[in-house]
Amino acid sequence: SQQGEEDPQALSIQEGENATMNCSYKTSINNLQWYRQNSGRGLVHLILIRSNEREKHSGRLRVTLDTSKKSSSLLITASRAADTASYFCATGPEADTGRRALTFGSGTRLQVQP
Amino acid sequence: NAGVTQTPKFRVLKTGQSMTLLCAQDMNHEYMYWYRQDPGMGLRLIHYSVGEGTTAKGEVPDGYNVSRLKKQNFLLGLESAAPSQTSVYFCASRDSGTGRSGELFFGEGSRLTVL
Repeated sequence: SQQGEEDPQALSIQEGENATMNCSYKTSINNLQWYRQNSGRGLVHLILIRSNEREKHSGRLRVTLDTSKKSSSLLITASRAADTASYFCATGPEADTGRRALTFGSGTRLQVQP
Repeated sequence: NAGVTQTPKFRVLKTGQSMTLLCAQDMNHEYMYWYRQDPGMGLRLIHYSVGEGTTAKGEVPDGYNVSRLKKQNFLLGLESAAPSQTSVYFCASRDSGTGRSGELFFGEGSRLTVL
């Protein structure tokens, strides 16, 4: 079963606009990660936010985490055509619960129109 | 430093045939994983390994077997392929050290079609 679910499933914006993707999860977590997947390629790690953090920045990426609502959001500012990809949230692994693997959501497909 | 390498990248099988996917990593990672990715389903964990000589079942292990005879290699086998196993398979690895983020490093995927 999916631990994380992204929303929306697909998003189309113009270059220069901001893109926001949301992720909801079901169980308690120690951290949450976001990954990016270009078409036909493997996933690449973007950013990790720990359960005691509320917000984290990395370049044009901003991630928020609300553990009370079991949700996270990924904001890409000033989007570029090269940001076109699928974005996945993932939870785990967590040594204290024995979860040794990341569990992924179904992803948001982002299309940035030039 | 190649990271995670998967072979083959593409394969077409007939129902009932067998094959093995090879994953190799050069980062000395303890943990290795096999996921499958299907449209609209995200990634689902098939099997994983927490060290040389160990394997464990994931979310969708049926029809697959794995082996981790060497730390750097993780093999995924299909003994009798079925059309339902048509998918893109991803191998990933990560470090097991304390304080690590749990970041996964992925291969480029192996696209398998079973006719």
